[in-house]
Amino acid sequence: SQTIHQWPATLVQPVGSPLSLECTVEGTSNPNLYWYRQAAGRGLQLLFYSVGIGQISSEVPQNLSASRPQDRQFILSSKKLLLSDSGFYLCAWGGGADIQYFGAGTRLSVL
Amino acid sequence: AQSVTQLDSQVPVFEEAPVELRCNYSSSVSVYLFWYVQYPNQGLQLLLKYLSGSTLVKGINGFEAEFNKSQTSFHLRKPSVHISDTAEYFCAVRSGGYQKVTFGTGTKLQVIP
Repeated sequence: SQTIHQWPATLVQPVGSPLSLECTVEGTSNPNLYWYRQAAGRGLQLLFYSVGIGQISSEVPQNLSASRPQDRQFILSSKKLLLSDSGFYLCAWGGGADIQYFGAGTRLSVL
Repeated sequence: AQSVTQLDSQVPVFEEAPVELRCNYSSSVSVYLFWYVQYPNQGLQLLLKYLSGSTLVKGINGFEAEFNKSQTSFHLRKPSVHISDTAEYFCAVRSGGYQKVTFGTGTKLQVIP
């Protein structure tokens, strides 16, 4: 069966520090992969999606970037975190009809 | 373009009472519709989906939803809620041929003992 791993579960970082969040999928090949951010009261915001290795689409201009170095690995990064980057980050992969299956999420607090 | 509207940000309901969480979508083509549930500090879990066929869809935990094309709605219902149903519920839509899934802003269901 397919599983999705996301880490770390929680992260506290100072403003201006770098960020790297990792997501890996098991049990499937060539999945569509997604990064979402969930801010309080704002629902889910799609940040990036990828249909294959090295293929990244950005949905909103921001302080973040994404990379897909391997088929089942999706990384969310930042060179310098802002306070506004705080939130709950969710990785997801797309199955049949692109049903989205989510990881457990990373709670990022930028102080 | 596709969009989803969840009009109710919070819905309080007494335990064992019925509940309906509303979802309306906008799309110019055929759609796939989804409901997800999120418990505190967890990821989203697929509750049910409409891809085609019967417009009444049954999901996990006793939930069901009905696809109404004329009203562009996909409301979620449960005849009798439990305390454990307290969570946030998200409606989502994907239009045929469009790669991305668009989520609503969520409805927090609070079950009152």
